[in-house]
This record gives sequence, C-alpha cells and structure tokens, in this order.
Amino acid sequence: GESVGLHLPTLSVQEGDNSIINCAYSNSASDYFIWYKQESGKGPQFIIDIRSNMDKRQGQRVTVLLNKTVKHLSLQIAATQPGDSAVYFCAGSSGYALNFGKGTSLLVTP
Amino acid sequence: SQTIHQWPATLVQPVGSPLSLECTVEGTSNPNLYWYRQAAGRGLQLLFYSVGIGQISSEVPQNLSASRPQDRQFILSSKKLLLSDSGFYLCAWSGQLYGYTFGSGTRLTVV
Repeated sequence: GESVGLHLPTLSVQEGDNSIINCAYSNSASDYFIWYKQESGKGPQFIIDIRSNMDKRQGQRVTVLLNKTVKHLSLQIAATQPGDSAVYFCAGSSGYALNFGKGTSLLVTP
Repeated sequence: SQTIHQWPATLVQPVGSPLSLECTVEGTSNPNLYWYRQAAGRGLQLLFYSVGIGQISSEVPQNLSASRPQDRQFILSSKKLLLSDSGFYLCAWSGQLYGYTFGSGTRLTVV
C-alpha cells in the first residue's frame, strides 16, 4: 500500500523567510498528490495539488515540486507569515482514497 | 458551489454507548465519500470510503461501521464505543473534477 511520510516533524522559520516542507512516498503508482494545511481543531484545508505528469505547480505564495525519480515532493511557501503557522500534510493517491503522512508542524516566529 | 456539512462538532460519550456521526454534501451528485480519523498529534487514517449508495469499503477492521443511505449522506456508526475510539473524525468528498474537500470534523471523546 501507499506510505507517505514527512522528513521533519517540526519546522521553525522567521516571518518573511521562505519555508520548505518535504515529503517522501513509497508507492510508485501514486499519480496524484495534495498538500493540506490544518489549524488546531479544524479540518484539513486544501493548499495545492499536483498530478504525476507534472514536476512543478505554483499557486499563490506556494509551489509544489514533484520528483518522481526519488519519490519526493516538497511544498515551498514564500514570504512566510504568522498565519501560515499550522500542521502541513502531504497525501498521495493511486485510486480513490488519499493516504496521508504524519504531518509537519510549521511555526512562524516574528 | 459544493459544501460539506459534518456534525456534531464535539461529542463526549461513555464507553459502551452507541455512536452516529453524519456527513452530508451539497452542490454535487455521486460524490466519493470518505471517513478519516485523526488521533492526537498524528496523521489521518482512512476508515471507510464509498463510491455510491450502499457501497462501502472498509480500510481498517475496527469497532466502527459506515453506511450511505442516500447519494450525498454518509454515516459513521458504532454499536458500543471503546476508549480507543476517541479521536477527531473527518468526513471528506471528492469528485472527478475537484480534489478532496474535508468537513470541519467531530472531536469524539469516549469516557
């Protein structure tokens, strides 16, 4: 089955700096990936997704990079803001359901 | 626009009592529906998913069951709750054109 995990459980960055959150996956058949942001006590909020036929996708202040060779994806947040503090999950799918990693806690310091 | 509703937001239940959590989706038809559970400080674990009315797939054998009596209604149930059933339960839906969207979650505490 799918196994998706994150390299670092916590990440502390200074306001205004760029953040990079990494994620590795094990199932080479995974063809769809999503990054979610979850604030305390709330459901996951969609940030950005990418399909396996792409290497990079950009959104507002966020970029997802997919390296299928090493089965790795990352989320880059530009000019990190205090409101970006949350737990970030990557998830991968090769069918109906998503399989989630454990999450990385991002803490933005002033 | 599509919306997903999940209730209640919080629930405290004694061990051995029954459980019923409901999730409904509006603004779409024939969605794929999911129940996830999140233990404190952990990732999301897929419990059940459904691709149509009456069609339920279970990912993890446990004390819970799911039902889909209507196209946009997904119910998570238990006949007798265990302490280990405590957690944050999330309903989600997906369609062909849209990614996965989660509800606001139910925090269940079994005491």
